[in-house]
Amino acid sequence: DAGITQSPRHKVTETGTPVTLRCHQTENHRYMYWYRQDPGHGLRLIHYSYGVKDTDKGEVSDGYSVSRSKTEDFLLTLESATSSQTSVYFCAITRAGSYEQYFGPGTRLTVT
Amino acid sequence: AQSVTQPDIHITVSEGASLELRCNYSYGATPYLFWYVQSPGQGLQLLLKYFSGDTLVQGIKGFEAEFKRSQSSFNLRKPSVHWSDAAEYFCAVDNTGTASKLTFGTGTRLQVTL
Repeated sequence: DAGITQSPRHKVTETGTPVTLRCHQTENHRYMYWYRQDPGHGLRLIHYSYGVKDTDKGEVSDGYSVSRSKTEDFLLTLESATSSQTSVYFCAITRAGSYEQYFGPGTRLTVT
Repeated sequence: AQSVTQPDIHITVSEGASLELRCNYSYGATPYLFWYVQSPGQGLQLLLKYFSGDTLVQGIKGFEAEFKRSQSSFNLRKPSVHWSDAAEYFCAVDNTGTASKLTFGTGTRLQVTL
């Protein structure tokens, strides 16, 4: 257990509405990540953060933005949700010195 | 760009039988290699990892994996499968040396028959 929580755990929203997903960690880890999981694609990296206010794009960043104003929270925002963003979103952290990623429980997002 | 291939989408084995899940990667140097397991509706749990050294690595839940440089493979094995092993298994690679950018395979779903 890496002390990662995600909220909400489930959300249904309409096309065109903004959505923010939250990842919260309690162990002061520097690196945090957002992935999406889709059948036939495995997990794909959306954005990651290597410190407060330090973020970078991943493989599938179009349509997503992130913010990290404090160490413990990493927010993923869909500015205008589309049906193609229906997915399960996972947050992850890397423990310092371990070179291992640990994952949160996930958020299931449905865009109708 | 690096890529990870898990050629088997779905595998069915009988309880007590041995298991091997395949993973091949495409990358010039030896990356860091990982296997994760995901039970239905759950997050991913790290089973084992390879960074360097002994090419046979042991993980949790009785799993092991062997790194073969010549075949660019990192196959996951278990001598005797239990019904509770039914899950989806993901291979992942990282070429940054810091686990900061994992590339995942598409996963193999394991079904265990009694």
